[in-house]
Amino acid sequence: ETGVTQSPTHLIKTRGQQVTLRCSSQSGHNTVSWYQQALGQGPQFIFQYYREEENGRGNFPPRFSGLQFPNYSSELNVNALELDDSALYLCASSSRTFSGRTQETQYFGPGTRLLVL
Amino acid sequence: KQEVTQIPAALSVPEGENLVLNCSFTDSAIYNLQWFRQDPGKGLTSLLLIQSSQREQTSGRLNASLDKSSGRSTLYIAASQPGDSATYLCAVEFYFGTGTSLTVIP
Repeated sequence: ETGVTQSPTHLIKTRGQQVTLRCSSQSGHNTVSWYQQALGQGPQFIFQYYREEENGRGNFPPRFSGLQFPNYSSELNVNALELDDSALYLCASSSRTFSGRTQETQYFGPGTRLLVL
Repeated sequence: KQEVTQIPAALSVPEGENLVLNCSFTDSAIYNLQWFRQDPGKGLTSLLLIQSSQREQTSGRLNASLDKSSGRSTLYIAASQPGDSATYLCAVEFYFGTGTSLTVIP
């Protein structure tokens, strides 16, 4: 059991709406990564935040945005929701030193299941 | 862009059997590779992390190997149990494969 928590657990929205998902990282971790997992697929990397700055982004449009707070918790915001945004959204926290790009073990939260109608 | 492939997509074995899951990746300039387990509708549980300088890692009945030059990793599970039934995912940094769905039959 990890210390990474996500809220809400489930969410239903309609096309065009906006949504905010939240993640609390494990104690001592300074890095949060967000992933989108469609049914039957592996997680797709959205972006990563390290010390409140975006530090890497996958192939997702700008309507996917995020924040990291001083306590290292994070938010994922998705604007103008589309049907294809329906998925499990996972956040992962890890501890990363300033000097390295090396990723330490990623610890995942239970995810938020988003359904867009 | 790194591409990660896992074969087979699904595997069914009788309890007690040893098994190997395969993961291949296209870019050998990696920093680490991580194996995860995912139960239906749940988040991911980290199993093993192999740094680029390492060749293998072991935890209990699990052993993961890494061969950067050939772009391959394997996850060996010894003496499989029904509780091992899950989807196993391989990740090279941020890039995930689509997983192998394992069923262990009692």
